[in-house]
Amino acid sequence: GAVVSQHPSWVICKSGTSVKIECRSLDFQATTMFWYRQFPKQSLMLMATSNEGSKATYEQGVEKDKFLINHASLTLSTLTVTSAHPEDSSFYICSALQLSTDTQYFGPGTRLTVL
Amino acid sequence: GNSVTQMEGPVTLSEEAFLTINCTYTATGYPSLFWYVQYPGEGLQLLLKATKADDKGSNKGFEATYRKETTSFHLEKGSVQVSDSAVYFCALSSDYGQNFVFGPGTRLSVLP
Repeated sequence: GAVVSQHPSWVICKSGTSVKIECRSLDFQATTMFWYRQFPKQSLMLMATSNEGSKATYEQGVEKDKFLINHASLTLSTLTVTSAHPEDSSFYICSALQLSTDTQYFGPGTRLTVL
Repeated sequence: GNSVTQMEGPVTLSEEAFLTINCTYTATGYPSLFWYVQYPGEGLQLLLKATKADDKGSNKGFEATYRKETTSFHLEKGSVQVSDSAVYFCALSSDYGQNFVFGPGTRLSVLP
């Protein structure tokens, strides 16, 4: 199946700093990628849809100035959590849409801990 | 809007028991249906999918049939293993892989 990677797999940072998370589709090109957030023992919450070469579309309630998304190539999308606070600590998961199968393939997730 | 309902967990089974995790959906049109599995500390892995009515998705001994008349996509496995312990998410897409809607997830624990 299609493979999507994320980096880093976990990160610990101080409050007020910024953290960048990368999402890559390794064996297919993805014009559309998605960023989700998952709280412990809960389902995934879609944060934003990232389209290559254009601005991301954010879900209601997600601050676009805090969660910066860049999709500069067909295989890479990045999520930058700016001025992180402890309440931003969470598990962030990306996915990439494979158009040939109309299927989202998910990355392994990034656990962010803000001290 | 579209929605997915799953049976509440956790589900605890003994090894080699039969597994059923119910999933029903509400959607306009003809959505594609998916089951994803999440192992502890990991992202989601596609388990199986079905794109039209009466399609059966299958993988690793798991099966699910797209039942439009009952708007259901129940996950089944004839004999579970300890390694199947994970959280299972039912999901639908009504727009060619976009506009995914996930169920709340069902945690499965298989005891030796």
